[in-house]
Amino acid sequence: QKEVEQNSGPLSVPEGAIASLNCTYSDRGSQSFFWYRQYSGKSPELIMFIYSNGDKEDGRFTAQLNKASQYVSLLIRDSQPSDSATYLCAVYSSASKIIFGSGTRLSIRP
Amino acid sequence: KAGVTQTPRYLIKTRGQQVTLSCSPISGHRSVSWYQQTPGQGLQFLFEYFSETQRNKGNFPGRFSGRQFSNSRSEMNVSTLELGDSALYLCASSLGTGDLYEQYFGPGTRLTVT
Repeated sequence: QKEVEQNSGPLSVPEGAIASLNCTYSDRGSQSFFWYRQYSGKSPELIMFIYSNGDKEDGRFTAQLNKASQYVSLLIRDSQPSDSATYLCAVYSSASKIIFGSGTRLSIRP
Repeated sequence: KAGVTQTPRYLIKTRGQQVTLSCSPISGHRSVSWYQQTPGQGLQFLFEYFSETQRNKGNFPGRFSGRQFSNSRSEMNVSTLELGDSALYLCASSLGTGDLYEQYFGPGTRLTVT
């Protein structure tokens, strides 16, 4: 079992709809969680950081964390073509290092 | 505030050579982490430096090493390069070390080993 699992996609969502990206992790001792966006040929860009159970909203982005289910998700509302990218879920593990998932490719179709 | 900078941006080396990559963190950031990104393995943690000390290390051979200077700038060295070392090497900086700190990535150094 991978430490951080994401569906590789591609996930195709129509413009204006909600894109839902999911991530599960195996280390129950993990405390903090990150979502990064990576455009092709570019480096990852931090878009969300969540530490507590529940929802955290920032503009069109909402991160949801459920530590009991070892599940973290990212919702993107009013999806735009510029949201087309690979989204990386990252977990700060109990071994004091950040483990990345392999990423979900998101495509927003006009 | 300037972001994380990495030099060089692109590098071509031959098998058996060694290479040194440099990373300057965001001003005020004291932690620097290094990652290797390849299409097959994704983003993998190499090591983290904080206050000139290596805090943690990933599962990479001893050919991969690093250091951090008193101004928080960091270098990563790979000796005896192998073809499989071809990758995007990313550094990320954060204010501190631990699970409450966000990491911000630099643009990366694209290393090609021939």
